[in-house]
Amino acid sequence: AQTVTQSQPEMSVQEAETVTLSCTYDTSESDYYLFWYKQPPSRQMILVIRQEAYKQQNATENRFSVNFQKAAKSFSLKISDSQLGDAAMYFCAHGGSQGNLIFGKGTKLSVKP
Amino acid sequence: DSGVTQTPKHLITATGQRVTLRCSPRSGDLSVYWYQQSLDQGLQFLIQYYNGEERAKGNILERFSAQQFPDLHSELNLSSLELGDSALYFCASSRVGSDPYNEQFFGPGTRLTVL
Repeated sequence: AQTVTQSQPEMSVQEAETVTLSCTYDTSESDYYLFWYKQPPSRQMILVIRQEAYKQQNATENRFSVNFQKAAKSFSLKISDSQLGDAAMYFCAHGGSQGNLIFGKGTKLSVKP
Repeated sequence: DSGVTQTPKHLITATGQRVTLRCSPRSGDLSVYWYQQSLDQGLQFLIQYYNGEERAKGNILERFSAQQFPDLHSELNLSSLELGDSALYFCASSRVGSDPYNEQFFGPGTRLTVL
C-alpha cells in the first residue's frame, strides 16, 4: 500500500524568503504521480504542483518548485519569495493506478510579515 | 471555483441519525471521489465511482455507502452516525477513472457535525 509522510507539522517563513516543505512516500507502483495541494483557511483544496514519476526534470510552477528524488522516494516543495497568501496547510499526495489520492498529514505554513 | 458543487455546506445532526451528502462533478468528468478530512485521521480516501460504477474503495465504514447516478452526480450516505463521524467530507472529480495522471478537482466540502 502507498503511504505518504510529512514530517513537519508546522513551518514558518518570513515574507519574501524561501521555505521547503518535506515529503517522503512509499509505493510499489512504477507509474505514479505526486502532488502538492494547498488548503487555505477557506478549506478549499487547491492543486499547487504535480510531478510525473518517470520524468527526471523537477516540476516548476511560478514560485513553486519541487525536488523529486525518486530513488530516495522524496518529494519536497520549495516556495520562493513567500507571500502572505501562501499561508495554508500543504498536503503532499500520491496518485497511483487506482486513481485515488493518498495524502500525508499536512504541514501548516505560517508567513510572517 | 473548481466547478464541483457539494450540498449542503454544513450539516448538524445527532448520533444515530442518517444523512446524505450530494456532489455534482465538473461538466464532462466521469469519475467522482469521496474523501473524509478529520482532525485525527487526516485526509482519507473513502470511495470512487466511475461512470456509475464503483471503481475503488478506501477506508470506508460499512455504515457508509455511496452511489453515482446516470447524470453523474453522486451521493454519500452516512448512517448510524457517531460522534467520530464529524468531519469535512470532500467530493472530487476527474475526467477519467484509473490513471495516475489524475488531476482531481475538489468541491468546497460538506462540514458534518454529529452531536
